[in-house]
Amino acid sequence: DAGVIQSPRHEVTEMGQEVTLRCKPISGHNSLFWYRQTMMRGLELLIYFNNNVPIDDSGMPEDRFSAKMPNASFSTLKIQPSEPRDSAVYFCASQLRGETQYFGPGTRLLVL
Amino acid sequence: GEDVEQSLFLSVREGDSSVINCTYTDSSSTYLYWYKQEPGAGLQLLTYIFSNMDMKQDQRLTVLLNKKDKHLSLRIADTQTGDSAIYFCAETPDSWGKLQFGAGTQVVVTP
Repeated sequence: DAGVIQSPRHEVTEMGQEVTLRCKPISGHNSLFWYRQTMMRGLELLIYFNNNVPIDDSGMPEDRFSAKMPNASFSTLKIQPSEPRDSAVYFCASQLRGETQYFGPGTRLLVL
Repeated sequence: GEDVEQSLFLSVREGDSSVINCTYTDSSSTYLYWYKQEPGAGLQLLTYIFSNMDMKQDQRLTVLLNKKDKHLSLRIADTQTGDSAIYFCAETPDSWGKLQFGAGTQVVVTP
């Protein structure tokens, strides 16, 4: 299995632009998680889905952030409009119930 | 909320054993994990332990769990330079739930 796939791996954008991060979970996994990692705040869970349904989005910073999971093999995290404080590494992870979470390589986002 | 705490830094000589400690507050934790993050990379699952176990060994890795004190440790035997990384402790109360991560322990292995 290719593992969790994230794209792009790196993104540099200007403040105010829309950013879309993509994730393909491991085939057969039924839970998907979006995390953000910064030096100041460490690893933060933003949102997670079970069977494509958002279960807990309490970690989403504000209305500028939105996440979707239209099917079991794809999810997006969108930031609109982006701000410099959104600069971070964004990780996607997937899990099969009763087992462990597997992380993707992350998307390094820099908002200028 | 529930907290997971780790020391921030550990320096160890190559060939020695490393011990990374973690404490957690959620008494309902069912699974406890250790993840490794190398520079510029994602998190890699190293090992995990169920709360009804007190020890798990996997090659050079030994996990000890003291459920009474809510203390978890990871011992790396014969530490190598490739073990230099950030190690995260994490817990979750059930197999569905979100992971609660510690801040990570930066391990530096010196020759």
